[in-house]
Amino acid sequence: KAGVTQTPRYLIKTRGQQVTLSCSPISGHRSVSWYQQTPGQGLQFLFEYFSETQRNKGNFPGRFSGRQFSNSRSEMNVSTLELGDSALYLCASSITGGGGNSPLHFGNGTRLTVT
Amino acid sequence: GENVEQHPSTLSVQEGDSAVIKCTYSDSASNYFPWYKQELGKRPQLIIDIRSNVGEKKDQRIAVTLNKTAKHFSLHITETQPEDSAVYFCAASEGNYGQNFVFGPGTRLSVLP
Repeated sequence: KAGVTQTPRYLIKTRGQQVTLSCSPISGHRSVSWYQQTPGQGLQFLFEYFSETQRNKGNFPGRFSGRQFSNSRSEMNVSTLELGDSALYLCASSITGGGGNSPLHFGNGTRLTVT
Repeated sequence: GENVEQHPSTLSVQEGDSAVIKCTYSDSASNYFPWYKQELGKRPQLIIDIRSNVGEKKDQRIAVTLNKTAKHFSLHITETQPEDSAVYFCAASEGNYGQNFVFGPGTRLSVLP
């Protein structure tokens, strides 16, 4: 079974621009979560989508948004990029049903650099 | 909200020795505690997990213990090998409202040959 696929692997953007990251979960997984990983802050939860609905949201500004499609694929968008948005963005899928607490399966991430 | 602390931040051991990493959590409603290993330049991968109805779980050289009263859980690696060198993250989740994990800041483990 194919793992979680994230595209692109690397992105370089300029301050003020916007960016869209894509994630394809493991087949059969309906939950997709997004995390921001930085050396100083570790793994920070952005949001989780399940059946096309945002089910959980972390403490990030409204510039960070996402969506999930009917095939469970998910996209994350960051608008008005700031230098501090430079990070590795990890997507994780899980097989959870209505509740939570299922293992996360991470993709390789998208490395975003904002200049 | 939940807060997860993790210690130590770095750990160096000699090959063959044991390594222990400890995490504490704040939300007594948390009931699922996974551990992830992240090698340099790679994705985090689940290595072991434990649920609140279990006190200890073992998988070959890796074990996790949970103390619900004290709100802490620990990862134990025995007979360490160079390939165990990585960053290890603990996490906690209560799961009632979907997947919402809070991760510890990570421990960089170095196994010296």
